[in-house]
Amino acid sequence: GAGVSQSPRYKVTKRGQDVALRCDPISGHVSLYWYRQALGQGPEFLTYFNYEAQQDKSGLPNDRFSAERPKGSFSTLEIQRTEQRDSAMYRCASSRTVTGELFFGEGSRLTVL
Amino acid sequence: AQSVTQPDIHITVSEGASLELRCNYSYGATPYLFWYVQSPGQGLQLLLKYFSGDTLVQGIKGFEAEFKRSQSSFNLRKPSVHWSDAAEYFCAVGATDRGSTLGRLYFGRGTQLTVWP
Repeated sequence: GAGVSQSPRYKVTKRGQDVALRCDPISGHVSLYWYRQALGQGPEFLTYFNYEAQQDKSGLPNDRFSAERPKGSFSTLEIQRTEQRDSAMYRCASSRTVTGELFFGEGSRLTVL
Repeated sequence: AQSVTQPDIHITVSEGASLELRCNYSYGATPYLFWYVQSPGQGLQLLLKYFSGDTLVQGIKGFEAEFKRSQSSFNLRKPSVHWSDAAEYFCAVGATDRGSTLGRLYFGRGTQLTVWP
């Protein structure tokens, strides 16, 4: 479809492994956002990009988390040396303009054993 | 710092009854306010938003919300609930800088709505 696409939808990994989550925004959307949602909580901001530039990464919890959007299209959120506390739904959103409405993907559920 | 409080974790209403979901925010300047709905297995969908102007905002699916600066509230309402409205609802506030959103939304913890037939 034409919506925000995230992959994988489900990821189970062992503690200490690295994971990469991918987000394909709606074609032509300028801004791309990453959020994390724990069970029973609202989404929590991680980082966002305008085109390929990372505008704000203050929500990344520690240096094990990083994100990139090399060509201003898809983005990858990487988590190194995963810990059980990293288990959550990771949500990506995009917007057509910097001030526009956010369109969310269905999310990637990460489980760290 | 910005924050959002949704005091009701779970609300149950009968189909056809009216609905009000509460949202209180904390933000020093004029806020940008949003309501999102999340159905199981779906992404969040924007119901409505307030940037400026008329404090009563109309959204999709028959929802409306009223911005009350004096009460720091942005409650969501619907006059007659349908069974398909059962979902989780999130209120969010956006940071602003020189009139432009900075892309960072602060969400409340959500209110789960159950609709009885």
